[in-house]
Amino acid sequence: GQQLNQSPQSMFIQEGEDVSMNCTSSSIFNTWLWYKQEPGEGPVLLIALYKAGELTSNGRLTAQFGITRKDSFLNISASIPSDVGIYFCAGRTSGGSNYKLTFGKGTLLTVNP
Amino acid sequence: EAGVAQSPRYKIIEKRQSVAFWCNPISGHATLYWYQQILGQGPKLLIQFQNNGVVDDSQLPKDRFSAERLKGVDSTLKIQPAKLEDSAVYLCASSFGRGETQYFGPGTRLLVL
Repeated sequence: GQQLNQSPQSMFIQEGEDVSMNCTSSSIFNTWLWYKQEPGEGPVLLIALYKAGELTSNGRLTAQFGITRKDSFLNISASIPSDVGIYFCAGRTSGGSNYKLTFGKGTLLTVNP
Repeated sequence: EAGVAQSPRYKIIEKRQSVAFWCNPISGHATLYWYQQILGQGPKLLIQFQNNGVVDDSQLPKDRFSAERLKGVDSTLKIQPAKLEDSAVYLCASSFGRGETQYFGPGTRLLVL
């Protein structure tokens, strides 16, 4: 099956620092998604990318869809304590009868105030 | 707008026992998903419904797991009998249609002893 390699596995940073994480795949995806999951909650969608090369921002978050369609990255600028959580990338195939999401293993982000 | 509701939030059972989880999707959402999230992993799709029909159950362990969405709204996921390796968070998600943004519920945390 399809697998996503997400790195780093965890990050411990100081408040105000910028953060970068990425996701690579051996397969092509039509859509890349980035989710954040906080303790005791389900994942929440942060950014969706639909075209190769697309660069999209959502506040302090910026994500890009790699031109090979096999990778994506997420940047968080000027981190704050509420950025703490697990960030997941997800790739989606389309066509046929379903639009299956494949998730990475997540990047655990800890922000030290 | 109310989000995806799930119950119970926590469940502890012994191996070989049965357990059922309930999900109420966002009103009007035709597509419903059940995911299994093992500690330290991203969510893995178990089954996807479109209205009351199954679209994809290729990763559902059908010898012990079953799911239904009889009236195309609420859904239940059952495990019978449970094994130790079934300990995980079971997430329900819904979307307006296939390929649309998935909204996740808070999950049910299952511990099998």
